[in-house]
Amino acid sequence: DVKVTQSSRYLVKRTGEKVFLECVQDMDHENMFWYRQDPGLGLRLIYFSYDVKMKEKGDIPEGYSVSREKKERFSLILESASTNQTSMYLCASSSQGGLAYNEQFFGPGTRLTVL
Amino acid sequence: GQNIDQPTEMTATEGAIVQINCTYQTSGFNGLFWYQQHAGEAPTFLSYNVLDGLEEKGRFSSFLSRSKGYSYLLLKELQMKDSASYLCAVRESWGAGNMLTFGGGTRLMVKP
Repeated sequence: DVKVTQSSRYLVKRTGEKVFLECVQDMDHENMFWYRQDPGLGLRLIYFSYDVKMKEKGDIPEGYSVSREKKERFSLILESASTNQTSMYLCASSSQGGLAYNEQFFGPGTRLTVL
Repeated sequence: GQNIDQPTEMTATEGAIVQINCTYQTSGFNGLFWYQQHAGEAPTFLSYNVLDGLEEKGRFSSFLSRSKGYSYLLLKELQMKDSASYLCAVRESWGAGNMLTFGGGTRLMVKP
């Protein structure tokens, strides 16, 4: 079974703090994604990576950065947390290429509250 | 860009059938996914359509019409555990990244 794990289920931080959210997958997937999920807005893509050290902006990258130094790990960084970044953050991974439909597998999510 | 629409909420009765619709407008199309998400949990994959027609998987079926930009998820013999959000997602192109764009999700409540 594919396993995607996230470092914390719940996190409370203060405005201006630097926040690191970690995601690890154990299926040797090339692609990894960070989403945030807010009521009424659905899942929105922040950043994704299709290879080590490669990153691409998603729909809402402002205020975030990412790091992928190893294939299995994808980190989301909030350089200076703000209250409007209070949200559920979901990490996902998928394989790439071939004939399979390559669905995304999701981690359990991190509920971040910024005070 | 992409626009994906699905109803916000639906209610159905245990044992009944419910159809959740999804319409999309995209510049390219390379597959449509349905995910199920129980409250407080991660989304889990339900189905995938890339060609027109119906895909059946037990109590769940998914239909696609590419010419109409339309899909539906059909849930039969509803059970209380089917109460969840159902997310429609479109993959615009095939290539590096395998990105999906998600609709807002449909919250389904199953009542006894």
